[in-house]
Amino acid sequence: ETGVTQTPRHLVMGMTNKKSLKCEQHLGHNAMYWYKQSAKKPLELMFVYNFKEQTENNSVPSRFSPECPNSSHLFLHLHTLQPEDSALYLCASSQARAGQETQYFGPGTRLLVL
Amino acid sequence: SQKIEQNSEALNIQEGKTATLTCNYTNYSPAYLQWYRQDPGRGPVFLLLIRENEKEKRKERLKVTFDTTLKQSLFHITASQPADSATYLCALGSGGYQKVTFGTGTKLQVIP
Repeated sequence: ETGVTQTPRHLVMGMTNKKSLKCEQHLGHNAMYWYKQSAKKPLELMFVYNFKEQTENNSVPSRFSPECPNSSHLFLHLHTLQPEDSALYLCASSQARAGQETQYFGPGTRLLVL
Repeated sequence: SQKIEQNSEALNIQEGKTATLTCNYTNYSPAYLQWYRQDPGRGPVFLLLIRENEKEKRKERLKVTFDTTLKQSLFHITASQPADSATYLCALGSGGYQKVTFGTGTKLQVIP
């Protein structure tokens, strides 16, 4: 596999629930990303973290709250989501320097909001 | 606004033939372009990267070309096999090297 793991792989939640997605990378990278992939749409970058610091927030609604406690772990905390938030959420990692643009993706969490 | 178009949603070809996928972009000056493969229920997997000053890159049966004048990249798979069936994504990166913009992908089906 790619060295990036995500849990859970599938998640069903109601609009009033609170849940968290977890990502872990075993590649020694220092940049981590959250993407959203909806049907018939391109991957949308949500957040970027470099050396545990958030460097990009792509106008993501506040009902999505990322957390990066160290360079190997990334969380996405979810609360009061909407049905349109149902999608595949992908985590990726890379080296945090130019010339090292390759991103390594996890398998994703398939989220369904009812 | 920036736009990336991949030639078609789906492409069917016969096993053994060369598959050619297209990625066109507008209102963008990428520093590099990447191709990823994505299988159902999985995350994308990196295949090739080509920079703005490069015309062509090869890796085994894969070849990528990059024409910054035409604003187009072509991705070729020679001697295609059923195992090549997947969705192929192109992704463009510019000055902010971590901010990559993806296309919607082309689903390739190689028929035995």
